[in-house]
Amino acid sequence: DAKTTQPTSMDCAEGRAANLPCNHSTISGNEYVYWYRQIHSQGPQYIIHGLKNNETNEMASLIITEDRKSSTLILPHATLRDTAVYYCIVRVRNDYKLSFGAGTTVTVRA
Amino acid sequence: DAMVIQNPRYQVTQFGKPVTLSCSQTLNHNVMYWYQQKSSQAPKLLFHYYDKDFNNEADTPDNFQSRRPNTSFCFLDIRSPGLGDAAMYLCAVGGRGETQYFGPGTRLLVL
Repeated sequence: DAKTTQPTSMDCAEGRAANLPCNHSTISGNEYVYWYRQIHSQGPQYIIHGLKNNETNEMASLIITEDRKSSTLILPHATLRDTAVYYCIVRVRNDYKLSFGAGTTVTVRA
Repeated sequence: DAMVIQNPRYQVTQFGKPVTLSCSQTLNHNVMYWYQQKSSQAPKLLFHYYDKDFNNEADTPDNFQSRRPNTSFCFLDIRSPGLGDAAMYLCAVGGRGETQYFGPGTRLLVL
């Protein structure tokens, strides 16, 4: 019962912006979009989350479409250390659970 | 200033020999989670504690148990590890509906 669809993998060039898409066409009004990443052999790291407005923090920007059926995570200046699996997760407000899908393996190349 | 600490980072056990993994936090969150992540798969929630209230996922095997003696510590006990239990075990903390923060994980090897 995957709630999100992400590309299996993508490459991007060091120093360029990385745009990671996520489809969540069945999202409901009380569900947030969360992004985590997992660098090899480490625990998942929180990146950003949002409900319907675009969000930005020191790590990334999150752009959510007006109909909320898809979103894009933007890493503004990718570095080699951004190579990781990126997970887009839809989570019910006030819920405990994070349900991880397969994620996107992002490889940043010099 | 680690927020979620897991020890050990690597644990080797024998088939059928009980093993305990530990997690501690410096954030004082009331919810602590345990996830299992097998090789090349996504993390999967095993159970969580809301304060001392234990909440098991429906498909978590009985072989997995947990204890939370206080707010800061939570343990994962595997009563009789099988080869299929070899995985990374991840501890996370966070309030209900709040961001979850993960520890570095303990990689379990079953011989």
